[in-house]
Amino acid sequence: EVQLVESGGGLVQPGRSLKLSCVASGFTFNNYWMTWIRQAPGKGLEWVASITNTGGSTYYPDSVKGRFTISRDNAKSTLYLQMNSLRSEDTATYYCTRFAYWGQGTLVTVSS
Amino acid sequence: DVVMTQTPPSLSVAIGQSVSISCKSSQSLVYSDGKTYLHWLLQSSGRSPKRLIYQVSNLDSGVPDRFSGTGSQKDFTLKISRVEAKDLGVYYCAQTTHFPLTFGSGTKLEIK
Repeated sequence: EVQLVESGGGLVQPGRSLKLSCVASGFTFNNYWMTWIRQAPGKGLEWVASITNTGGSTYYPDSVKGRFTISRDNAKSTLYLQMNSLRSEDTATYYCTRFAYWGQGTLVTVSS
Repeated sequence: DVVMTQTPPSLSVAIGQSVSISCKSSQSLVYSDGKTYLHWLLQSSGRSPKRLIYQVSNLDSGVPDRFSGTGSQKDFTLKISRVEAKDLGVYYCAQTTHFPLTFGSGTKLEIK
């Protein structure tokens, strides 16, 4: 059974950092691109970052470029999202996904 | 950026009826490999999104054939035949052909 389990969310002050993790199981992790998607409270889905299966290339929208870094450890079947210089508009539930499968999400709240 | 225009924003339907949701993209979603990376997702209340259909018309495993996807280039449709109570939630179209990845704004399906 495929599972994606996110962790690392919480309440953080504006300007601070947070690192999310997503542990994958039930499939060959290093065969797949992985993606982070977020959803602000009561809003739609927004793409945050993607990474190739080897980790050799990463992709970001302008809204997080330069602040967020996606990475992966294929030996640990784990995906990461390092979020720096957090803003109130980054408040959302963050999902780890390979689109066919989604994690349960982890809530990040940016507030003073 | 590719803008995904999804209509209608909401639908109210009786059990057993059929409904269609439209998704139009501002650019062709045909990738250089000839495939069209347009997908449909369902997010039930309080749950993570779940992919129903990938590459326009391919049903994910376990998705009943009451769901069907059609379309090409820039114009796509999700049809749900014989709606059941468990179909309620918010439906999103998503394109993964072009970066940044983008989503429709969602269609909320309610049961009369």
